[in-house]
Amino acid sequence: DTGVSQNPRHKITKRGQNVTFRCDPISEHNRLYWYRQTLGQGPEFLTYFQNEAQLEKSRLLSDRFSAERPKGSFSTLEIQRTEQGDSAMYLCASTLRQGAGNTIYFGEGSWLTVV
Amino acid sequence: DAKTTQPNSMESNEEEPVHLPCNHSTISGTDYIHWYRQLPSQGPEYVIHGLTSNVNNRMASLAIAEDRKSSTLILHRATLRDAAVYYCILRDVPPMNRDDKIIFGKGTRLHILP
Repeated sequence: DTGVSQNPRHKITKRGQNVTFRCDPISEHNRLYWYRQTLGQGPEFLTYFQNEAQLEKSRLLSDRFSAERPKGSFSTLEIQRTEQGDSAMYLCASTLRQGAGNTIYFGEGSWLTVV
Repeated sequence: DAKTTQPNSMESNEEEPVHLPCNHSTISGTDYIHWYRQLPSQGPEYVIHGLTSNVNNRMASLAIAEDRKSSTLILHRATLRDAAVYYCILRDVPPMNRDDKIIFGKGTRLHILP
């Protein structure tokens, strides 16, 4: 168990550029989540996958955001035409299966700064 | 989602016990009470969870009120490394295909004084 891995850990980009973050969940975890967190706030849910299927998207996930999990293993979160308001930490999490008693494991996060 | 209420911040002295309260007066019978914490510049990490009975693990204890409308996370002997934001979260057992994602509030920022 190597934990949830996120890359890159830090990204500085110019406004208008596209960025992509990658998440490698814990092996055999079939649920994968993306969250966004700004300073002083708790993480906000963005979207989640059950295997390769994206089952729910928050209204926070505008048209400029897209997430994929093509083979049910790693996932990518792409932000197109970045804006300064996209600056945040993007967190990925995974869990073995559905169930309120199951632990969700978070990665260390990917920090995005849009200048 | 049922909501929780936590104090914005708390202070405690190092090596003393810490009791972090959480109110959840609208909790349903199937809601689990989860606690996560987030150390500076890190992702949240699981601390403990319970349904009705008090729970203990190597990190903490969870005391759940008899009516389940409140709970307390207990750190038995706080260290400087316990300084973090602690989130109290309710998670329901979903019907088939409905997600049980975690919805975070603002949590309690715990300061440990040396």
